[in-house]
Amino acid sequence: ETGVTQSPTHLIKTRGQQVTLRCSSQSGHNTVSWYQQALGQGPQFIFQYYREEENGRGNFPPRFSGLQFPNYSSELNVNALELDDSALYLCASSLDTGDGANVLTFGAGSRLTVL
Amino acid sequence: GEDVEQSLFLSVREGDSSVINCTYTDSSSTYLYWYKQEPGAGLQLLTYIFSNMDMKQDQRLTVLLNKKDKHLSLRIADTQTGDSAIYFCAESGYNKLIFGAGTRLAVHP
Repeated sequence: ETGVTQSPTHLIKTRGQQVTLRCSSQSGHNTVSWYQQALGQGPQFIFQYYREEENGRGNFPPRFSGLQFPNYSSELNVNALELDDSALYLCASSLDTGDGANVLTFGAGSRLTVL
Repeated sequence: GEDVEQSLFLSVREGDSSVINCTYTDSSSTYLYWYKQEPGAGLQLLTYIFSNMDMKQDQRLTVLLNKKDKHLSLRIADTQTGDSAIYFCAESGYNKLIFGAGTRLAVHP
């Protein structure tokens, strides 16, 4: 059973550029969530995808967008990058177990630095 | 509002017990979670507790929940150097988890 894999692991961009981060969910998981973790902070929810549709969104502007593909993998796109977008971006997959517990399996993250 | 609070730092001696505390705000949270993050890694689920439970034990880990005070704690028995990490508590929201800022646990000889 493979876990959640993310790419790239590290990248550097400049202000105004666009970035795409990728995530392969754990085998059998049909839901993908993205979180932003700034240095010294806890993860903040960006959005969740289920059956290729956005299924909940946190307090992030529209320049943060995403996709989920039929194989449940996902992308996070950020346009018009700002310095404050520098963070660790975490992807997490989950499967509805029926008991209500939202058990997330996290990837190791993509560390984005915006200069 | 949504706010999960944790103390930022805890230092313990190897072999002692560690207790990490957390307060949360949403009394309707059905589950509460503890995650561990080691340097350069993502978050690893340690355990979670259903809100109608008071306690859950899993090997060296004991979770205590005081729903009246919205207080959650994680006790690690016989703390080892490999337990050094950042520990996050989280409450469940709609389709998301709401995390605290994390408690850095340092284990010294």
